[in-house]
Amino acid sequence: AQTVTQSQPEMSVQEAETVTLSCTYDTSENNYYLFWYKQPPSRQMILVIRQEAYKQQNATENRFSVNFQKAAKSFSLKISDSQLGDTAMYFCAFPYNYGQNFVFGPGTRLSVLP
Amino acid sequence: DTGVSQNPRHKITKRGQNVTFRCDPISEHNRLYWYRQTLGQGPEFLTYFQNEAQLEKSRLLSDRFSAERPKGSFSTLEIQRTEQGDSAMYLCASLPTGALNYGYTFGSGTRLTVV
Repeated sequence: AQTVTQSQPEMSVQEAETVTLSCTYDTSENNYYLFWYKQPPSRQMILVIRQEAYKQQNATENRFSVNFQKAAKSFSLKISDSQLGDTAMYFCAFPYNYGQNFVFGPGTRLSVLP
Repeated sequence: DTGVSQNPRHKITKRGQNVTFRCDPISEHNRLYWYRQTLGQGPEFLTYFQNEAQLEKSRLLSDRFSAERPKGSFSTLEIQRTEQGDSAMYLCASLPTGALNYGYTFGSGTRLTVV
């Protein structure tokens, strides 16, 4: 069974500092993608960054980057120069069932403090 | 196209009543998904459509739940005889076929409160 674990229910970071959110997963599939989604308070969920499992190079999108360790099945999200607008729930997710659906982790609530 | 649209945004209903939610996906997206998200948790898969065909249903989708997507455009999710445990955010997402690896486009959700 595919599972996703996010061991940090809540985190906080000072504005302009760096924070890392952790995610571990379990899958029997070999080729897959991993995603981080952001859900701001009372707003819709949006895609932050994605990583292709067969690529060794870690994905980067502006201030967001990942540390992907395939052997350890670890997929952490690093947010640099944190901004107040980064305050949100963050979910780690990946497709399963031969790419038909997503399984999501329980989320990490990130608060960026002024 | 303004993205995935869900209506209503909020619904409060009494236990035992029926409710129906609507999702309008991005027009060129032929896959449509329904997820349920309870407070403080990640979304859980309910069902998905490829055009008008419902291809998979989760065990979470009890016989009180039914989803349709007539003509492969908008979709409705109906909950009959609502229970307090049905209180949750119901999320709709869409994407083109074969594009799951690019991620969903989500709607803003319908928040259901059963009192």
